[in-house]
Amino acid sequence: QTVVTQEPSFSVSPGGTVTLTCGLSSGSVSTTYYPSWYQQTPGQAPRTLIYNTNTRSSGVPDRFSGSILGNKAALTITGAQADDESDYYCVLYMGSGIWVFGGGTKLTVL
Amino acid sequence: QVQLVESGGGVVQPGGSLRLSCAASGFTFSSYGMHWVRQAPGKGLEWVTYIRYDGSNKYNADSVRGRFTISRDISKNTLYLQMNSLRAEDTAVYYCAKDSGGGTCSFDYWGQGTLVTVSS
Repeated sequence: QTVVTQEPSFSVSPGGTVTLTCGLSSGSVSTTYYPSWYQQTPGQAPRTLIYNTNTRSSGVPDRFSGSILGNKAALTITGAQADDESDYYCVLYMGSGIWVFGGGTKLTVL
Repeated sequence: QVQLVESGGGVVQPGGSLRLSCAASGFTFSSYGMHWVRQAPGKGLEWVTYIRYDGSNKYNADSVRGRFTISRDISKNTLYLQMNSLRAEDTAVYYCAKDSGGGTCSFDYWGQGTLVTVSS
């Protein structure tokens, strides 16, 4: 069974840059997996940040960007702000109508 | 603006059934696929099921296959999730999410979720 991997936790200083990654337990992530990224704060519904690897969702500031780095999908936050402190999830489309979420990354801004 | 409003959650005994609804507005419901995604207490997101825009195909995660059924009523702009043979591990907040369309295979809008608790 394919597992989508994410860093369990990460920390960044205010104003700093952080890159979160999304990989596969077996194989490489490419654009054909249509990686997308979601932000969630406790008690709230997820918010879509990035879809189709690098397309920002409506209203998402341009300090959030998506890419493929090596064999993983990546979400980069530049100029981190206090309210970026959230859980971040990636999801990959596996084909045949199946999506798999990563376990999420808890981002701390301090 | 796009709105998705879930309802139908509650407490149900193991082995029981429940039907969730998701009322959609602000977009052409009949033109987009729809998903259900769940989140167990303190856990991450889990994709559950997807229905194509025209209802012609439905797909399920292994964890719910044979027990959960997704459907849609175009006339009511409503998405449904029929959940049978419920287990304790199905306890979660259930979100409906709109597919972003255009072959991008992602979710662009989410509802606020409805809590399902399976407990005796």
